Amino acid sequence: DQQVKQNSPSLSVQEGRISILNCDYTNSMFDYFLWYKKYPAEGPTFLISISSIKDKNEDGRFTVFLNKSAKHLSLHIVPSQPGDSAVYFCAARRAGTASKLTFGTGTRLQVTL
Amino acid sequence: GAVVSQHPSWVICKSGTSVKIECRSLDFQATTMFWYRQFPKQSLMLMATSNEGSKATYEQGVEKDKFLINHASLTLSTLTVTSAHPEDSSFYICSAATYEQYFGPGTRLTVT
Repeated sequence: DQQVKQNSPSLSVQEGRISILNCDYTNSMFDYFLWYKKYPAEGPTFLISISSIKDKNEDGRFTVFLNKSAKHLSLHIVPSQPGDSAVYFCAARRAGTASKLTFGTGTRLQVTL
Repeated sequence: GAVVSQHPSWVICKSGTSVKIECRSLDFQATTMFWYRQFPKQSLMLMATSNEGSKATYEQGVEKDKFLINHASLTLSTLTVTSAHPEDSSFYICSAATYEQYFGPGTRLTVT
């Protein structure tokens, strides 16, 4: 049972444009969400997170939006840069310290020149 | 800060042998460490959660006798793949956690 889903396995965006990566979840007990960036043969790198008490969190070029009623979150990257090309995973966890993460299936972002 | 290392970064072993992978938190003490595996083009699947000084908690479907986890200190956890088979070939990633999880660079295991 995939509790966190990223329905787009890949996305191609031109440099300078907005990249929008989507993530859906089914478990209503999740209340903290994270986005990670991953290159091949490397561990995930934390990008940005959002608590369920918020609907938006922004950090530089990265903004995460959360729609609790729809159980949907999205990551916006503006402007997209070639260095953003990687696989992006969303992850979710329940409240508490260091509780386990449930990862989505990943979206491969390709930023073209 | 919050650096996590894994050793080795890649390993090739023969079928039937055992392989140990180390995960270290270099600049912080981790109350909990997690072990994941990732197959090509798939998600990270949590294998087990370990707390220092106690037995690991394995996810459903993960053989605890095959994937031995030892969390001897607040900075070191090891994963031993016993009697490895080609289907165990995968990318193994650990994370060390205080409140947030910090991931290691991963270990590529190839069993021939």
